[in-house]
Amino acid sequence: GENVEQHPSTLSVQEGDSAVIKCTYSDSASNYFPWYKQELGKGPQLIIDIRSNVGEKKDQRIAVTLNKTAKHFSLHITETQPEDSAVYFCAAPAYSGAGSYQLTFGKGTKLSVIP
Amino acid sequence: NAGVTQTPKFQVLKTGQSMTLQCAQDMNHNSMYWYRQDPGMGLRLIYYSASEGTTDKGEVPNGYNVSRLNKREFSLRLESAAPSQTSVYFCASSEAGPGQPQHFGDGTRLSIL
Repeated sequence: GENVEQHPSTLSVQEGDSAVIKCTYSDSASNYFPWYKQELGKGPQLIIDIRSNVGEKKDQRIAVTLNKTAKHFSLHITETQPEDSAVYFCAAPAYSGAGSYQLTFGKGTKLSVIP
Repeated sequence: NAGVTQTPKFQVLKTGQSMTLQCAQDMNHNSMYWYRQDPGMGLRLIYYSASEGTTDKGEVPNGYNVSRLNKREFSLRLESAAPSQTSVYFCASSEAGPGQPQHFGDGTRLSIL
């Protein structure tokens, strides 16, 4: 099955600085990599995803990069704001047979943006 | 558009009691999932249902059962609750197949004394 490692587990940045969270995966056949943001007391919410036919994708202050050769992908948040403070999860797909797919999640990164 | 709705939001049980967590989605998704979230452990898959009429075990299925009642609803049952099952439980849904994003509910916070 898929194994996803996520680093760092906690990250503190000053408001306005950039934050980078990195994940590695084990299954070279994986081709879809979502990132989720979880605010306190809420469920994870998809913020951006990338597919293996592209190396980078941007959405305003958020970008994700993918290196399939090295089997790692990263989340970049620029010009961080206090509302970016949350737990972020990466994930990679796992094929479980009979056409069924699951997501394997990293253990999460708690991002704190200091005003 | 409610998305994924979980009930109840909070529950306290005594060891040995049983309980069913309810989940419903209004996005016409084929696949549904149950996860548990514990500090430092991320999200771990308990059971999933790739389509109506099918269910399969995930990473941590012991002590749980599920029912895919119809396309909209997927319930999780604890037959005899144990303190180790104290956790936050999340339901999610997605379209079937690879590369489909999962949409999560806001969770059920369950404490077992």
